[in-house]
Amino acid sequence: EDQVTQSPEALRLQEGESSSLNCSYTVSGLRGLFWYRQDPGKGPEFLFTLYSAGEEKEKERLKATLTKKESFLHITAPKPEDSATYLCAVRSYTGANSKLTFGKGITLSVRP
Amino acid sequence: SQTIHQWPATLVQPVGSPLSLECTVEGTSNPNLYWYRQAAGRGLQLLFYSVGIGQISSEVPQNLSASRPQDRQFILSSKKLLLSDSGFYLCAWTKGSSGELFFGEGSRLTVL
Repeated sequence: EDQVTQSPEALRLQEGESSSLNCSYTVSGLRGLFWYRQDPGKGPEFLFTLYSAGEEKEKERLKATLTKKESFLHITAPKPEDSATYLCAVRSYTGANSKLTFGKGITLSVRP
Repeated sequence: SQTIHQWPATLVQPVGSPLSLECTVEGTSNPNLYWYRQAAGRGLQLLFYSVGIGQISSEVPQNLSASRPQDRQFILSSKKLLLSDSGFYLCAWTKGSSGELFFGEGSRLTVL
């Protein structure tokens, strides 16, 4: 059974204080690791997909990296508008459809 | 561009009453469609997915059901709601082999 563990559960940063969010995973065969951002009361918004160890992707202040066991979402010089819950999910080889297994999320608060 | 709509956005229902949540995707054809539930402190839980009209796969045994009467329409139903059915319900779609899910805005269900 695929498993995804995200840590820490919550993170409070000062504006401009860079940090990283962790996503550890166990899958039978990785077909993609996905990062989403979710604002309160809204549906998750797609950020990145990573497919193989060593892959990196960037978008504004966010950079996602992938190893064989975990992924990191690095946030450089965060701003208050980066406050949200960040979800990690994995897709495995089992089954023919895009069934993603999600972690519980990391709630990020950035203080001005 | 593709868009996904869910309604109603919020719903308060008594125990034992029926439920119908509706989801429609625009701007694409033959998408894979999904219903997820997000409960407080838990990750996103896949409830149902569909790869075509009339084709429904259930991931978790429960008193909910899903139907896909049209290519871009996905409906989540219950004949009698339980207190444990309360949560945030998300519809999502994907197409092709990328595995990236795109979510609707969600429907908040409170069962009293």
